[in-house]
Amino acid sequence: GDSVTQTEGPVTVSESESLIINCTYSATSIAYPNLFWYVRYPGEGLQLLLKVITAGQKGSSRGFEATYNKETTSFHLQKASVQESDSAVYYCALTGGNNKLTFGQGTVLSVIP
Amino acid sequence: GPKVLQIPSHQIIDMGQMVTLNCDPVSNHLYFYWYKQILGQQMEFLVNFYNGKVMEKSKLFKDQFSVERPDGSYFTLKIQPTALEDSAVYFCASSSRTGSNTEVFFGKGTRLTVV
Repeated sequence: GDSVTQTEGPVTVSESESLIINCTYSATSIAYPNLFWYVRYPGEGLQLLLKVITAGQKGSSRGFEATYNKETTSFHLQKASVQESDSAVYYCALTGGNNKLTFGQGTVLSVIP
Repeated sequence: GPKVLQIPSHQIIDMGQMVTLNCDPVSNHLYFYWYKQILGQQMEFLVNFYNGKVMEKSKLFKDQFSVERPDGSYFTLKIQPTALEDSAVYFCASSSRTGSNTEVFFGKGTRLTVV
């Protein structure tokens, strides 16, 4: 079946430092899955951060970006300068276009002011 | 933005009893989903539902589970009878359609504790 593996947390970084959360995937149900990053802020529900549905493309939102790399089957999340408000749990996920999401285990990010 | 509401946020129930988890999806959405997350593990797909029918279910969707959305009201997940291994956080989600470029909206989850 499909699977997603991401950086095991917790990850702690200082404000204004750069961040990368790794994500690699294995998709057996479809050749080119849709890729997503979801985020759960404290006390909030899961929400979409960014998505990319075409291999080779980059998605970006709120200063975060991720590039769909089909050669390495990766979709790493990066931000050049994090803020305290970015502290949250980040989930990498994929679908085959039927909206059935396969999630990674989540990465807890703590940003120290 | 659009909200999916889940009621209650936490429920404790005795093993063997029935429980119903309620979800108020985004207005005008047509596709509904349940996901399950056991503590320390990944969120996993349980079932999706459209036009009054289960479209797809995973192996986690045991015979004791059922879903419905009577007359456009709450989308519910019923477990009867409950077992200890059903303890988890259950997330409801909805979307306006399926396919690429469709955003799925999630609720905050209901934490179910079976004792």
